[in-house]
Amino acid sequence: AQTVTQSQPEMSVQEAETVTLSCTYDTSESDYYLFWYKQPPSRQMILVIRQEAYKQQNATENRFSVNFQKAAKSFSLKISDSQLGDAAMYFCAYRSMNSGYALNFGKGTSLLVTP
Amino acid sequence: NAGVTQTPKFRVLKTGQSMTLLCAQDMNHEYMYWYRQDPGMGLRLIHYSVGEGTTAKGEVPDGYNVSRLKKQNFLLGLESAAPSQTSVYFCASSWNRGLAFFGQGTRLTVV
Repeated sequence: AQTVTQSQPEMSVQEAETVTLSCTYDTSESDYYLFWYKQPPSRQMILVIRQEAYKQQNATENRFSVNFQKAAKSFSLKISDSQLGDAAMYFCAYRSMNSGYALNFGKGTSLLVTP
Repeated sequence: NAGVTQTPKFRVLKTGQSMTLLCAQDMNHEYMYWYRQDPGMGLRLIHYSVGEGTTAKGEVPDGYNVSRLKKQNFLLGLESAAPSQTSVYFCASSWNRGLAFFGQGTRLTVV
């Protein structure tokens, strides 16, 4: 089974600054997807960004970008120009092409944004 | 378009009671999933289904049963609730490699 590790239980960033959340994963597969999800206090799971393993180009979505290092099995999320609304739990997730395409989540990083 | 709807949103059970959580999706997705979320543990897969009439165990299936009698519904059952099953439960659905859509979650407390 694949494991997803988020080594930072909590992170803090000042408004307008940049923060990077770390994620590593373990797999023997060559074809898979990686995701970052945001979970605000409302509990809603919000997709932030996704990366297909066969694509070398790092995904970007507005202020959110990833640094995907396939050989190192690393998938970090960079949030630029942080906003108060970015405060939330962030989960890294791995999606295998097996096991019904189920998502395998890390334990999460709680992001605090200070004015 | 409702997406994925979970019923109920909140529930308090006494130890030993049984209940069923309902997940309904209106996107004609083949794949459906039940996760539980506990503090500091992320979301863990309980059971999943790859189509109507099929179910499979995930990472933490003990104490739960599921059924997928209709394509749009995925039921999660607790036959004899235990305090260890206090958690937030999420349902999700997807087309195979497509995006997963999540329900709003069910907060279950077993006392």
